[in-house]
Amino acid sequence: AQSVTQLDSHVSVSEGTPVLLRCNYSSSYSPSLFWYVQHPNKGLQLLLKYTSAATLVKGINGFEAEFKKSETSFHLTKPSAHMSDAAEYFCVVSRGYQKVTFGTGTKLQVIP
Amino acid sequence: ETGVTQTPRHLVMGMTNKKSLKCEQHLGHNAMYWYKQSAKKPLELMFVYNFKEQTENNSVPSRFSPECPNSSHLFLHLHTLQPEDSALYLCASSQEKDTQYFGPGTRLTVL
Repeated sequence: AQSVTQLDSHVSVSEGTPVLLRCNYSSSYSPSLFWYVQHPNKGLQLLLKYTSAATLVKGINGFEAEFKKSETSFHLTKPSAHMSDAAEYFCVVSRGYQKVTFGTGTKLQVIP
Repeated sequence: ETGVTQTPRHLVMGMTNKKSLKCEQHLGHNAMYWYKQSAKKPLELMFVYNFKEQTENNSVPSRFSPECPNSSHLFLHLHTLQPEDSALYLCASSQEKDTQYFGPGTRLTVL
């Protein structure tokens, strides 16, 4: 069985300050982990993925995430928020193409 | 977004109508997916096709009928829908084991 928990449904940051979006997962196997972003009225765009290589994963638009097996976490960070980062972010755990579980999403608000 | 396209982008239909959603992927992938995204609910996987064969049907009501004529095209046929079926329907495709690429979605409203 596998599950994913996004700990915050909403996060609000000021422009230029760091972003932290938290994700914990549970999996009986070594999972693949992903972060996707969804802007209003758009589909989901892949930000980054972890597939058992380096534990620190760099993605697009300055985002990165660190896989911590001991904490079963895969938090998404960015050093400095930009207005264009305002969107909804989904953490995803996967074991093969059929066993994909999405988190409930975290809406990021960026305040000018 | 040009990798996976979906049409129409918006659809309004009555409960007695029959309509179809179309998805096309230009990425050479062999697996395609339909998801339902409702407000305040996690993304729900509806159907999975791998090499045109349906491999997953997550207890979706029969008023939703998928069709995959080839590995590049996926349809979702709709009939006698309910207002609670109003949602954003997302199509995705993948080639690697896990990474899915999404289309922009069809916003469906059932009156």
